[in-house]
This record gives sequence, structure tokens and C-alpha cells, in this order.
Amino acid sequence: AQSVSQHNHHVILSEAASLELGCNYSYGGTVNLFWYVQYPGQHLQLLLKYFSGDPLVKGIKGFEDEFIKSKFSFNLRKPSVQWSDTAEYFCAVNPLAAGNKLTFGGGTRVLVKP
Amino acid sequence: GAVVSQHPSRVICKSGTSVKIECRSLDFQATTMFWYRQFPKQSLMLMATSNEGSKATYEQGVEKDKFLINHASLTLSTLTVTSAHPEDSSFYICSARLGGGALTGELFFGEGSRLTVL
Repeated sequence: AQSVSQHNHHVILSEAASLELGCNYSYGGTVNLFWYVQYPGQHLQLLLKYFSGDPLVKGIKGFEDEFIKSKFSFNLRKPSVQWSDTAEYFCAVNPLAAGNKLTFGGGTRVLVKP
Repeated sequence: GAVVSQHPSRVICKSGTSVKIECRSLDFQATTMFWYRQFPKQSLMLMATSNEGSKATYEQGVEKDKFLINHASLTLSTLTVTSAHPEDSSFYICSARLGGGALTGELFFGEGSRLTVL
């Protein structure tokens, strides 16, 4: 079955540490890729998106993503996190054949300790 | 950016009653809205695609008669949980597509509505 999976459920790290969250999908066709963030008490917000072109994508707030097509993966990275990056992060895949339907990964809760 | 608002944010109801949740696109028109359900510590699961002026498209396993969706205008979609039971307790989130076609239309999410059925 087609699926989207995130490698970690919980990540705890200190400020200034580097963050990398992995996401894999199993769709065989062309896909659009997204990372969303949900800060405590807030709604989902788009962090970055990949449609085509350069596999290294820069998003907001210092986040970037690398799409590795051969491995069906796209990894979210931030070189130096801040306490305010504490949130839940979701990757999502939109197969082009599915219109605008998004399939989400299970989410990763990130806690940044001050 | 575009804003999507849901109401109510929290609702508690007795078993057997029906509950309506509204999803509004505040500063743009949305021909398509999506309804998701999120169980505790789990991801968002797409329930249905709401199309303005036509019937909603439900995902496999979602009961149409249980979760009634109406998209009467370009800025409002409603989800009605009929004859709610405790197992319907969940976090319901809507999203709306802004502009473009399937390749570029970005989705904006509401703040979610937490339903608790006693």
C-alpha cells in the first residue's frame, strides 16, 4: 500500500543543535512534497514545498529540505535550532494523479531545550 | 497568507446528538476544501474532499451518512457529525486550496475543532 512514514516520533535536542527529520514515501509516480509545522496551540503551517527542479529546497525560518528521488525520501534540516522550533512536524505527499490530496506522515514531535 | 478558520474550536456533546463544524476561507475563495481527522498522537487522515456546488467525495471507509459535508458557497464548508458516539471523538481539521491547479495550489489549514462525545 502507498504510504508516507516519518523516521522518528519524538526528538529532543538542545538549542543550537542541528535538526534532521527523515520522511519516506512509497508512491511510484510523480509527487509534490511538503513539510508542515504545527506549533503548540496553533494550526498547521507550510514550512516548505518541493514540486520540481533543484532537490535542495530552502523554506522559511532557516529550514531546508533535500529530496532524494532514488530513495523516495525527503529530509527536513535546520543547522541550528532555537527553543521556538519546538513543534510537531509533518511531511506530506501529493501524488499528481490524486489531484490536491495530501497524505501525511505520522508526525515528529520536536522538543528544543533552552 | 490566506486564512482558514474553523468554528467551534471545541465542542462537547452527548451521545446521539449531531454536531456541525464550520470551515471558512476568510480572504479567498475555495472551490475545494478538505476535511481531515486526527487521532491522538497520530497523523491526519483525509476524510473527504468538499466541492463547492456538488457532492463531497469521501475516502474509503468514511461513512457518508455519518459525516455530512456541505459546501454551499466558495467560502464555507460544513461537516456535520450525525448521531455522534464516543468513538467519533477526535480532532477535525479542514483545509482549503488557494489558487492554481493541482500542481501549484497551496493548502491552508484551519485551527482544528476538537469534538468530545460523552
